[in-house]
Amino acid sequence: DVKVTQSSRYLVKRTGEKVFLECVQDMDHENMFWYRQDPGLGLRLIYFSYDVKMKEKGDIPEGYSVSREKKERFSLILESASTNQTSMYLCASSLRGIINEQFFGPGTRLTVL
Amino acid sequence: ILNVEQSPQSLHVQEGDSTNFTCSFPSSNFYALHWYRWETAKSPEALFVMTLNGDEKKKGRISATLNTKEGYSYLYIKGSQPEDSATYLCAPPPYGQNFVFGPGTRLSVLP
Repeated sequence: DVKVTQSSRYLVKRTGEKVFLECVQDMDHENMFWYRQDPGLGLRLIYFSYDVKMKEKGDIPEGYSVSREKKERFSLILESASTNQTSMYLCASSLRGIINEQFFGPGTRLTVL
Repeated sequence: ILNVEQSPQSLHVQEGDSTNFTCSFPSSNFYALHWYRWETAKSPEALFVMTLNGDEKKKGRISATLNTKEGYSYLYIKGSQPEDSATYLCAPPPYGQNFVFGPGTRLSVLP
């Protein structure tokens, strides 16, 4: 079974803090994605990566950065957390190509106070 | 940004009822359409990936059809059960572009 894990289920941070969200997949997938999900809105793509050290902006990259130093790990970084970044963050991975289904992690609910 | 609509936003059905909902998307530059089911407190799980106009996929009591010329896909659930309660998301990524998910249809099946 494909397994995508995220470092924390719940996280509480203060405004201005630097926040790291980690995602690890064990199926040798090329593609990895970071989304956020807010009430009334669908999943919105923040960043994705199709290879090690490669990254592409999604629809809402502002305020975020990412790092992919190893194929299995994709990190989302909030350089200076703000209250409007309070959200559910989901990581996903897939084989190369947008035709392949994505496998999602359990999500991290981040609260920024 | 690709405009993806899903309707209805939510619906409540009785156990045993059949139901269907819609995903609408711009028909130009179509490449594939994904359906996902997202149960509360779980991760989204893929139901179908559809690529061809007229495609029809089935998994148990759930089936989906695709019309790429007019830009819509239907998801059908036959004989709904409480365990079908979830949010159903569609994502029609155009070729070479980012994934864009629709806002979802939240289904509640009442016993």
